[in-house]
Amino acid sequence: DAGVIQSPRHEVTEMGQEVTLRCKPISGHDYLFWYRQTMMRGLELLIYFNNNVPIDDSGMPEDRFSAKMPNASFSTLKIQPSEPRDSAVYFCASSSGDSYLGGYTFGSGTRLTVV
Amino acid sequence: GESVGLHLPTLSVQEGDNSIINCAYSNSASDYFIWYKQESGKGPQFIIDIRSNMDKRQGQRVTVLLNKTVKHLSLQIAATQPGDSAVYFCAENRGSYIPTFGRGTSLIVHP
Repeated sequence: DAGVIQSPRHEVTEMGQEVTLRCKPISGHDYLFWYRQTMMRGLELLIYFNNNVPIDDSGMPEDRFSAKMPNASFSTLKIQPSEPRDSAVYFCASSSGDSYLGGYTFGSGTRLTVV
Repeated sequence: GESVGLHLPTLSVQEGDNSIINCAYSNSASDYFIWYKQESGKGPQFIIDIRSNMDKRQGQRVTVLLNKTVKHLSLQIAATQPGDSAVYFCAENRGSYIPTFGRGTSLIVHP
């Protein structure tokens, strides 16, 4: 398995633009998580899905952020409009409900810079 | 609030030495703990885990110790190598599926 695949690896955009981050989880994993990592706040859980259904989005900072999981092999995190304070590394992770005790598998992340 | 924290933000060691990375947790209800390693430009990677009914668990060159009395977790790396240079996170589960991550400790290995 190629692991959790995220795209793009780097994204530089201007304030006010829409940004879409993409994630392909490991096949067979029924949980998918979106995290944001900054030096100030560390790893923050934004939202997670179980069987493509959003379970907890309480970590989504505000209405500018939205996430979807149209099928078991694809998820998106969208920011519209983007702001400089959204600059961070965004990670997607997946896991099987039977193996949460083994932790998550993270993707390599998308480094977002909003100028 | 309850949180997972690290005592040392940066740890510098010489190649070949043993490294010890510490983590404090505040919730005695936590029943599962995980250590992750994050190399530069990569996502966190699972290293080792331990349940609360254990005090010690060993892997390849790594050992995790759990002291529930003082709510302390440590990761020991034997014969530290340059490839071990990374940020190490501890995470705790409190009976739910979603772990809480600590802020991380940066391990720097000098050749």
